[in-house]
Amino acid sequence: EDKVVQSPLSLVVHEGDTVTLNCSYEVTNFRSLLWYKQEKKAPTFLFMLTSSGIEKKSGRLSSILDKKELSSILNITATQTGDSAIYLCAVGTGTASKLTFGTGTRLQVTL
Amino acid sequence: DVKVTQSSRYLVKRTGEKVFLECVQDMDHENMFWYRQDPGLGLRLIYFSYDVKMKEKGDIPEGYSVSREKKERFSLILESASTNQTSMYLCASSLGQLNEKLFFGSGTQLSVL
Repeated sequence: EDKVVQSPLSLVVHEGDTVTLNCSYEVTNFRSLLWYKQEKKAPTFLFMLTSSGIEKKSGRLSSILDKKELSSILNITATQTGDSAIYLCAVGTGTASKLTFGTGTRLQVTL
Repeated sequence: DVKVTQSSRYLVKRTGEKVFLECVQDMDHENMFWYRQDPGLGLRLIYFSYDVKMKEKGDIPEGYSVSREKKERFSLILESASTNQTSMYLCASSLGQLNEKLFFGSGTQLSVL
């Protein structure tokens, strides 16, 4: 059974801090790892990492895939209150297009 | 931008009722998915569909069925709602085979009393 584990489950930081969110996986036939941000409504896509693209960056957010350690990190620098959300990690496997999700990390950024 | 629309944001139903959750996407995506999201359990896949009139079971299909009569529409059906089906239901779509990037709807919070 495919498994995706995120840590920590929740996190409270002050505005301006840097945070690192973790995602580890145990799956058969890994294809990709995706990060999503979920505020009150629909999860929105952040990054997709594959064997051919193990590092992605967009503004203050960046992510790295470590295929040897079967894990990924999502870094957010200079956090803002608007970064408060649940961050979801998901892994795509095999020839199917479906994803297996972790339980998410709830991030709260305070003033 | 891709738009995935779920028909209801909040829904309250009684135990034993038949419940329909509707989802429509406007970008001609091949794949559509239904997930439920519960605290501490994350998103779990109920059913998915790769094509019209095709469906496949996800990880937790018990108590649910689906219908995909048109490419843009994917319906989730609770034949006889139970209290343990109280949850947030998320619909998603993706472009096609070997494309894992999902676009999500805003979700339907279903309460079964």
